[in-house]
Amino acid sequence: NAGVTQTPKFQVLKTGQSMTLQCAQDMNHNSMYWYRQDPGMGLRLIYYSASEGTTDKGEVPNGYNVSRLNKREFSLRLESAAPSQTSVYFCASSEDQGRRTDTQYFGPGTRLTVL
Amino acid sequence: GDSVTQMEGPVTLSEEAFLTINCTYTATGYPSLFWYVQYPGEGLQLLLKATKADDKGSNKGFEATYRKETTSFHLEKGSVQVSDSAVYFCALSASTYSGNTPLVFGKGTRLSVIA
Repeated sequence: NAGVTQTPKFQVLKTGQSMTLQCAQDMNHNSMYWYRQDPGMGLRLIYYSASEGTTDKGEVPNGYNVSRLNKREFSLRLESAAPSQTSVYFCASSEDQGRRTDTQYFGPGTRLTVL
Repeated sequence: GDSVTQMEGPVTLSEEAFLTINCTYTATGYPSLFWYVQYPGEGLQLLLKATKADDKGSNKGFEATYRKETTSFHLEKGSVQVSDSAVYFCALSASTYSGNTPLVFGKGTRLSVIA
């Protein structure tokens, strides 16, 4: 049981390049999330998916797109990377979309640098 | 909107010292409250949680009590160890727009414990 896995672990891009961050979970969870972590800012929600086939914007969605490929996988795409997107990106999952008591389980993160 | 405020760090303590990290929140309705911990180079993991007023969450010697009257969820540990060095995040889950329960995080408090 690997939990939440993310690839790649590290990535360096040039301004304007595109890339996709991959996330998968093996806990049969319904809900999945993408966060970014910046120094002094805590974690901020980019997008989330309450269930397979649905996605919604979070606090900071601009410049990103997501795809919930199936129940296990939730990808985050940067179409045209900008230096302001330099950050550490975390994927998370939780069991049930409707329960505020649910624990979220986090992946190890992707450290992205945009030059 | 919902928000979490936690004490700014970094906090540096000697081994076996008493730890308190303050956390207060603003939320509509009845939030669940969480403490997550992030060890160096890793993703976040749940440390403890409380889902209703006066509940006490506890794990690994850490405790926090959900105080509705003071809107607080302070983290405490009686005797810290070097292995407790990490970043600690207070978070809440309350809003249920679109049927989901995204977490709102504080900015994190870095704890360093020296031998």
